[in-house]
Amino acid sequence: AQSVTQLDSHVSVSEGTPVLLRCNYSSSYSPSLFWYVQHPNKGLQLLLKYTSAATLVKGINGFEAEFKKSETSFHLTKPSAHMSDAAEYFCVDYSGGGADGLTFGKGTHLIIQP
Amino acid sequence: GAGVSQSPSNKVTEKGKDVELRCDPISGHTALYWYRQSLGQGLEFLIYFQGNSAPDKSGLPSDRFSAERTGGSVSTLTIQRTQQEDSAVYLCASSLAFGFLQPQHFGDGTRLSIL
Repeated sequence: AQSVTQLDSHVSVSEGTPVLLRCNYSSSYSPSLFWYVQHPNKGLQLLLKYTSAATLVKGINGFEAEFKKSETSFHLTKPSAHMSDAAEYFCVDYSGGGADGLTFGKGTHLIIQP
Repeated sequence: GAGVSQSPSNKVTEKGKDVELRCDPISGHTALYWYRQSLGQGLEFLIYFQGNSAPDKSGLPSDRFSAERTGGSVSTLTIQRTQQEDSAVYLCASSLAFGFLQPQHFGDGTRLSIL
């Protein structure tokens, strides 16, 4: 069965410093990978997605992620954190086959220190 | 409004009662999805609708859960004889066309607490 591992349950960075949220996937097929953000008491919002085109994917709010097949990783980065980035981030893998192909990571809580 | 609307935003009920959660998708979106977010299980997919049809109900946790969609618009998720383990945030999303690669727009969820 496929799995998605978000390596850190919590990440704390200072405002203005880089953000790195790590995600590893285990799909044996070519995955489609997503990053979603969830602010407190809100639904999920799509940040970016990878679907076998360019391996470096740019998303909204200055976020980007790089698909590395050799490392089975899809880490999310941002050059400079903003206070408004404080939220929960989810890495999601979709490997086809309907709903059975959808796998969510457990989430990473991003804390921004002033 | 322009977004996905869910009601109620919060619901507290006693164990054994039935609850009905409502989702009003973005106008014109043909696909609708229900998810559950709980502390123990994280995010779980429950069910999707293509139009009014739900081809795959295997994601529903038990036969106490049911969902319907009428008129290709509003959907309701019903939980009968609620149990404490049903306490969670229930999220609804919609997309213009069906497919898990389609951008999904989420509502703010219904927070369900079973006493």
